[in-house]
Amino acid sequence: SQQGEEDPQALSIQEGENATMNCSYKTSINNLQWYRQNSGRGLVHLILIRSNEREKHSGRLRVTLDTSKKSSSLLITASRAADTASYFCATGLAGTYKYIFGTGTRLKVLA
Amino acid sequence: DAGITQSPRHKVTETGTPVTLRCHQTENHRYMYWYRQDPGHGLRLIHYSYGVKDTDKGEVSDGYSVSRSKTEDFLLTLESATSSQTSVYFCAISEGEGRTGELFFGEGSRLTVL
Repeated sequence: SQQGEEDPQALSIQEGENATMNCSYKTSINNLQWYRQNSGRGLVHLILIRSNEREKHSGRLRVTLDTSKKSSSLLITASRAADTASYFCATGLAGTYKYIFGTGTRLKVLA
Repeated sequence: DAGITQSPRHKVTETGTPVTLRCHQTENHRYMYWYRQDPGHGLRLIHYSYGVKDTDKGEVSDGYSVSRSKTEDFLLTLESATSSQTSVYFCAISEGEGRTGELFFGEGSRLTVL
């Protein structure tokens, strides 16, 4: 089974609302990253949080990491229609060069 | 942005034929990865490389082999393609230290095995 599991699988919100998606993982990590994928395109890196960090901000993005619970959350504030995409978490497995992705959350922001 | 080129971008082949996908980078990055993406599974790691001639298996390596004879090229080979290998394949490279670096992705190669 995959290292990362995200929930919800799909999320639909109105423009201007906040969107929160969660990622749980199973093993020790070096870092956790979030990526965005527009339909049919490659993934784009959003933000990276290291295992010794608890929270990180980048523009409208806020990421938290709880290594005791092996979970992370991505908050997108004041969402826009252009934020409509799939979002994936990826865990850098401790002691390796491997990055394992979760199953993703499909976000739809309605104008 | 890291320069990553995947080829071919689209391929249709028949069961039992060999297929090679190429990932080419212009950034001289040490770490390169092959993933496949299927509905309901997200991205799954097939193989990765941490240097020339240094490769290792990922989550779903059965039926796939890789080679990296020079820094800029990472080849993924399906020795005898099966319908279950129909997928979109993404190459990624890691800028900087592989254990802490961000991944940069190519645009994907869509493979259909009939």
